[in-house]
Amino acid sequence: QKEVEQNSGPLSVPEGAIASLNCTYSDRVSQSFFWYRQYSGKSPELIMSIYSNGDKEDGRFTAQLNKASQYVSLLIRDSQPSDSATYLCAVEDSGNTPLVFGKGTRLSVIA
Amino acid sequence: DAGITQSPRHKVTETGTPVTLRCHQTENHRYMYWYRQDPGHGLRLIHYSYGVKDTDKGEVSDGYSVSRSKTEDFLLTLESATSSQTSVYFCAISEGESYEQYFGPGTRLTVT
Repeated sequence: QKEVEQNSGPLSVPEGAIASLNCTYSDRVSQSFFWYRQYSGKSPELIMSIYSNGDKEDGRFTAQLNKASQYVSLLIRDSQPSDSATYLCAVEDSGNTPLVFGKGTRLSVIA
Repeated sequence: DAGITQSPRHKVTETGTPVTLRCHQTENHRYMYWYRQDPGHGLRLIHYSYGVKDTDKGEVSDGYSVSRSKTEDFLLTLESATSSQTSVYFCAISEGESYEQYFGPGTRLTVT
C-alpha cells in the first residue's frame, strides 16, 4: 500500500494568521487528492478536493498540488479558533485501497 | 453526516461475542466503505463494496466480514470480537472509486 505522510503537529498559529498544512505521497500515478477536517470526537468532513496541478481556492481554504514533487498542501487564511481540528490528507491509491489517508495534522488556532 | 447513518452509535461487548454494525445511506451511492480509526494509526480501510453483493478487502480485514444485500445498507460483522477490535468505526460512501468519500457519524465499539 502506498504511503501518505503528514506532520502530526500540533501546529499552533495565532488567530488571523495563515495555517499551512502539508502532505506528501508515494504513489506517482495518484490523480485525486482530498483534505478532510475532523473535530475531536466527530467524523471526518470533506473540505477540499483537487485533481490538477496548481491552486484551488474555496473561501478561506486553498489547496495546492504539485504532482512532480508528490506534494499537496492546504492553506487556511485568517485562521479562527473554530479551525482548530485535525486535518487529514487523502490520496487516491492505484492499488487495492481506493483512498489512503494520512494520520493527520492537529491544528490549534490560538485566540 | 447527511444521508448516512450508523447503528449502534455506541456498543460495549465482551470478548468472543459476535457484533454487527450497520451503515445506511439515502444517497444511492454505489461505493460504501468501513474504516476503523485508532490513535497512532489514523483511518484504516477494513472492507469496501462497489455494488450489491460486490465487496473487497482493505488493509485490515482480518477478523471482519461484510455484506451488502441492498444498495443502501452495508453491514460489518466481527465474528468473534477481540479487545484489539476496540475502536471507532466509520462508514463512508462515494459515487465512484476515486470520488470524494463522505463519512457517517461513527460507532464507538468497546470490547471488554
